[in-house]
Amino acid sequence: AQRVTQPEKLLSVFKGAPVELKCNYSYSGSPELFWYVQYSRQRLQLLLRHISRESIKGFTADLNKGETSFHLKKPFAQEEDSAMYYCALMGSSYKLIFGSGTRLLVRP
Amino acid sequence: KAGVTQTPRYLIKTRGQQVTLSCSPISGHRSVSWYQQTPGQGLQFLFEYFSETQRNKGNFPGRFSGRQFSNSRSEMNVSTLELGDSALYLCASSLGRQGRRDTQYFGPGTRLTVL
Repeated sequence: AQRVTQPEKLLSVFKGAPVELKCNYSYSGSPELFWYVQYSRQRLQLLLRHISRESIKGFTADLNKGETSFHLKKPFAQEEDSAMYYCALMGSSYKLIFGSGTRLLVRP
Repeated sequence: KAGVTQTPRYLIKTRGQQVTLSCSPISGHRSVSWYQQTPGQGLQFLFEYFSETQRNKGNFPGRFSGRQFSNSRSEMNVSTLELGDSALYLCASSLGRQGRRDTQYFGPGTRLTVL
């Protein structure tokens, strides 16, 4: 079965602290992993995908096939990073399977 | 390029009615996917259309249907509405190339409330 797990509903950190949003997946083949972000009153938007290996807004994510994880990291959190973050998997079909999301709250 | 647009943005219906939601993809995108977002179930895939054909389907009852037009615009229809259909319905478009897992870009959603 294809599944994405985000164990934390809420992650609260202080500005300048490191951030790690956890994502684990279950998929028997070779997945494509994504992180989407939803800022308050804005649409869901792509933050990054593993195949592009980009760093967007200081965020990075590494696919660890051994641990079936795709954790999102940022060394120094900013207040504007406060948002809802969704990890998603796309298998051999064209559908996205989303995790339940983690709300990141960055306190001043 | 203009982003994905959805109309209407808000809808209020009563149980038993039907509703049609519309989605216009990014220019050049041929794939349109629909998702339902609720607080309890999160984001769930409904179906995907490519070149006017349903290419993929999620686990929703037959009351949920869709179609795609030759200009790639898509509509989603829900018949015999139930209270549990209250949700944010998101549309996403992508290039949808065969064998390629193209990035999906989301619209702002249609908020459906069933009374």
